[in-house]
Amino acid sequence: DVVMTQSPLSLPVTLGQPASISCRSSQSLVDSEGNTYLNWFQQRPGQSPRRLIYKVSNRDSGVPERFSGSGSGTDFTLKISGVEAEDVGVYYCMQNSHWPPYTFGQGTRLEIK
Amino acid sequence: QVQLVESGGGVVQPGRSLRLSCEASGFTFSTYGMHWVRQAPGKGLEWVAIIWSHGNNKYYADSVKGRFTISRDNSRNTLYLQMESLRADDTAVYYCAREGSSSSGYGMDVWGQGTTVTVAS
Repeated sequence: DVVMTQSPLSLPVTLGQPASISCRSSQSLVDSEGNTYLNWFQQRPGQSPRRLIYKVSNRDSGVPERFSGSGSGTDFTLKISGVEAEDVGVYYCMQNSHWPPYTFGQGTRLEIK
Repeated sequence: QVQLVESGGGVVQPGRSLRLSCEASGFTFSTYGMHWVRQAPGKGLEWVAIIWSHGNNKYYADSVKGRFTISRDNSRNTLYLQMESLRADDTAVYYCAREGSSSSGYGMDVWGQGTTVTVAS
């Protein structure tokens, strides 16, 4: 199984400042057809998860432009260009290149400093 | 609008069974794969199972294989999770989620609000 490792696990950020979350996979997420299926999800307190990013860097509909994804192979990053109060929550990366199983990172808790 | 609504959660004793349902609306249910994902109290997300659009392919996490069965009724726009031999570590919020299309990178692009399962004596 592919193991997903996120860092940091806790991320205090000042409003308006940038934030960055790292996600590393135990093996390359490039599949046999050359695609990389790496997703980022946001889970606000008391809410269901919501997907923000798919295939490394594609924003889902309605996701603010301040969220961006990047990376390749085994190293991926979610960046928030300027954190807003509504961004508080837990962020998860997930791979669906080599499944089953689909595997999530442990989660990174973003809080306002 | 696209919506998934889970139901069927509750408190159940260890070793007993429970069936969860997820009713879909706002999209053509029969053309999408569907997942169950769970979240134990205070913990992260764990994928449980996926069923393809016509129900002919199913895959499970090792932690539930042989105990849980995913199924669907496309005529009722409903996804199910039959859970047998429940254990305390199955206690979680269970989410159903839609498998996105190829153009949206597959993966879980729509989530329900979740239903809570508590396994306790």
